[in-house]
Amino acid sequence: EAGVAQSPRYKIIEKRQSVAFWCNPISGHATLYWYQQILGQGPKLLIQFQNNGVVDDSQLPKDRFSAERLKGVDSTLKIQPAKLEDSAVYLCASSFLPGAGGELFFGEGSRLTVL
Amino acid sequence: SQQGEEDPQALSIQEGENATMNCSYKTSINNLQWYRQNSGRGLVHLILIRSNEREKHSGRLRVTLDTSKKSSSLLITASRAADTASYFCATDATGANSKLTFGKGITLSVRP
Repeated sequence: EAGVAQSPRYKIIEKRQSVAFWCNPISGHATLYWYQQILGQGPKLLIQFQNNGVVDDSQLPKDRFSAERLKGVDSTLKIQPAKLEDSAVYLCASSFLPGAGGELFFGEGSRLTVL
Repeated sequence: SQQGEEDPQALSIQEGENATMNCSYKTSINNLQWYRQNSGRGLVHLILIRSNEREKHSGRLRVTLDTSKKSSSLLITASRAADTASYFCATDATGANSKLTFGKGITLSVRP
């Protein structure tokens, strides 16, 4: 079974530039999550999708971050314009069960460095 | 906001010893999960324990849950160098939106 795919693995940009991350979840997983993990900290939930609808985006900085999930499968997370404090690893995860009723499967992450 | 807080923040043990990690949380939960993260990699699910369960085992892992104390512990027996990683507890708090909230993690180093 293929795992959660993310790209790019690494991205370096200057502040005020834009960046986009892509995620392809495990086939059949209806729930998709984007987490932000700053170095030395635990993952922080940015947005949670159930199929192509948003369940929770309460911690997403909506003035600069946006996310969409096309046709309930792939998802894209965009940051525009980026700030220095956005330097982090962006983790995508998916689960078969809705919400947090079961285990989450994580991708390898996309490491963003903002200079 | 982070629901779970792991203790200790860092743990260094000798190969073959047991490692015990603790997690405390603040609100009522549906379930609590433990994840492992190797350096530079994504998180890997280890075990899930539901609020009506007190103990679960999976291979060398033993997890306990005490809902009255709002705490959980993860025991890794007969540790190996390959167990070196960061360990996170994550909670699914009861309420309208079911979502996992992670703690800051514990760094475990197993010396060969």
